[in-house]
Amino acid sequence: SAVISQKPSRDICQRGTSLTIQCQVDSQVTMMFWYRQQPGQSLTLIATANQGSEATYESGFVIDKFPISRPNLTFSTLTVSNMSPEDSSIYLCSVDSGQTEAFFGQGTRLTVV
Amino acid sequence: QQQVKQSPQSLIVQKGGISIINCAYENTAFDYFPWYQQFPGKGPALLIAIRPDVSEKKEGRFTISFNKSAKQFSLHIMDSQPGDSATYFCAASISGNEKLTFGTGTRLTIIP
Repeated sequence: SAVISQKPSRDICQRGTSLTIQCQVDSQVTMMFWYRQQPGQSLTLIATANQGSEATYESGFVIDKFPISRPNLTFSTLTVSNMSPEDSSIYLCSVDSGQTEAFFGQGTRLTVV
Repeated sequence: QQQVKQSPQSLIVQKGGISIINCAYENTAFDYFPWYQQFPGKGPALLIAIRPDVSEKKEGRFTISFNKSAKQFSLHIMDSQPGDSATYFCAASISGNEKLTFGTGTRLTIIP
């Protein structure tokens, strides 16, 4: 199993600002994933982050809006840039165990006012 | 986008009853079907998963039934307890591509 710590757990931000979310894993993992869960909705994959390469973004998500860093095998950040109220969501970091089981952090609840 | 359709959106079951949540998928390349349980303020946690080489998998009170020809799978929770009250998500992925496609979620409430 993997233990994932996300920071911050929640934040209230002004529109037009940016927030960086940190994800720390207790073991080395190849791939890390960032998901968005809008209020009362399902999880949508934003991007896949591999160490040493650019993140791969899913349709509808772009690097300018959601820049991702992956400096090593245990850490990643997701930045939500130039925020608007529509960005209010829970953002979740996830890692794969190597046997297809995915582990999730507790999420970052973002409210944009 | 590859879709996984989940129903019902919400479900209320009496304590001790059977909770049944259904999912259907479109992409026949999917070969891994997990169910996740999410409590408020927490991230999803893997509950049980199945691969299409079997039609059923049981772990304690939780059973996945899988119908490959119909492209459907379901979660059955036997002897449902108030502690089972949570949101449940089905998901699907392709081996070698670890991205999960999630269903829309089912909010399950177990009443005494």
